Amino acid sequence: SQELEQSPQSLIVQEGKNLTINCTSSKTLYGLYWYKQKYGEGLIFLMMLQKGGEEKSHEKITAKLDEKKQQSSLHITASQPSHAGIYLCGADPQNDMRFGAGTRLTVKP
Amino acid sequence: EAQVTQNPRYLITVTGKKLTVTCSQNMNHEYMSWYRQDPGLGLRQIYYSMNVEVTDKGDVPEGYKVSRKEKRNFPLILESPSPNQTSLYFCASSLKGTSYEQYFGPGTRLTVT
Repeated sequence: SQELEQSPQSLIVQEGKNLTINCTSSKTLYGLYWYKQKYGEGLIFLMMLQKGGEEKSHEKITAKLDEKKQQSSLHITASQPSHAGIYLCGADPQNDMRFGAGTRLTVKP
Repeated sequence: EAQVTQNPRYLITVTGKKLTVTCSQNMNHEYMSWYRQDPGLGLRQIYYSMNVEVTDKGDVPEGYKVSRKEKRNFPLILESPSPNQTSLYFCASSLKGTSYEQYFGPGTRLTVT
């Protein structure tokens, strides 16, 4: 089955700093999803990447998909306290969804 | 307001006592799914449904049952709960499958003693 490994597991940054979260798949990625979860709450969809080399942005969050490396990265520019939470990547081989363990982001004011 | 609702939000029960967690969506979505989230293990899929009367096992289906008799509802049934089913459960729905944005419910925190 497809495994997704996220790094780092947790991250503490000062407000205003940039950061990157990585998601590496054990198998070929045909689609990669990024979700954000506030502690103990449901997930909120951020973006979906479907083609190798694809890059999408939403406000100050940019995600890229590198199919050759079976990897996706999520980059946050000028982090703010509102970016704090758990970021999860997901993949769906055949509508059965797999998620990474998540990266817990803390942004210090 | 478009949403996925789950009930109850919190539940403490004892081993072996059957329980049902309800999930309902008001967006006319075809796809619905149940996940459990555990520290260190992340979010794992239990069951999913592509449409009414169509359900499939996810990653961790043992000890759970589901049914999809109506498009809007997708209850999760624990016939004989055990302590290892203590977890945070999420229901989600999307228009047609995981290639579409999934909308998640607020979660149900279940404790089995």
